[in-house]
Amino acid sequence: QKEVEQNSGPLSVPEGAIASLNCTYSDRGSQSFFWYRQYSGKSPELIMFIYSNGDKEDGRFTAQLNKASQYVSLLIRDSQPSDSATYLCAGYTGNQFYFGTGTSLTVIP
Amino acid sequence: DTGVSQDPRHKITKRGQNVTFRCDPISEHNRLYWYRQTLGQGPEFLTYFQNEAQLEKSRLLSDRFSAERPKGSFSTLEIQRTEQGDSAMYLCASSRPSGNTIYFGEGSWLTVV
Repeated sequence: QKEVEQNSGPLSVPEGAIASLNCTYSDRGSQSFFWYRQYSGKSPELIMFIYSNGDKEDGRFTAQLNKASQYVSLLIRDSQPSDSATYLCAGYTGNQFYFGTGTSLTVIP
Repeated sequence: DTGVSQDPRHKITKRGQNVTFRCDPISEHNRLYWYRQTLGQGPEFLTYFQNEAQLEKSRLLSDRFSAERPKGSFSTLEIQRTEQGDSAMYLCASSRPSGNTIYFGEGSWLTVV
């Protein structure tokens, strides 16, 4: 059973702060990991993906992967109120993507 | 290229009726996925196509659900004899032949009353 565990939150951070979102996964064979942002009532929107150990940066977003610990994280720097959403962590293996339940983030102005 | 398109966006149906959703993937994407998402949950895998072949189907998918992709382009998801528990957002996603990243459509909301 491939699973991704996320803290459902809610996570609240003040505007301009760093938001840290985490997930763990069960399948060591998973090849890639993804972070999606989902606004209420909307479909998931891809933020970034990572498949190598270490950090990957894209603008205000940094994804981190630690395969030994089976741990994935997303850091959002200079958080903005528009970042308030649910963030879904997903893993990929065997042509299948499997999702966590998401972490709700609120950025307080 | 306007992304993954789903239709209808919203559907309200009476219990016991059949409903069908359509998905048009991004044009060069040969892989197509259907997911279901309920409130407070992540997307749940339903089925996956590569071109016209349905390669994988979730064990959670009852016999009332059927999906097709007859010409390897658009896909349909049909739910027969709908139940209130079928109320959810049905998401379609697609990816490139060599890609491992999926892009979602806007989703089709189903409400069974």
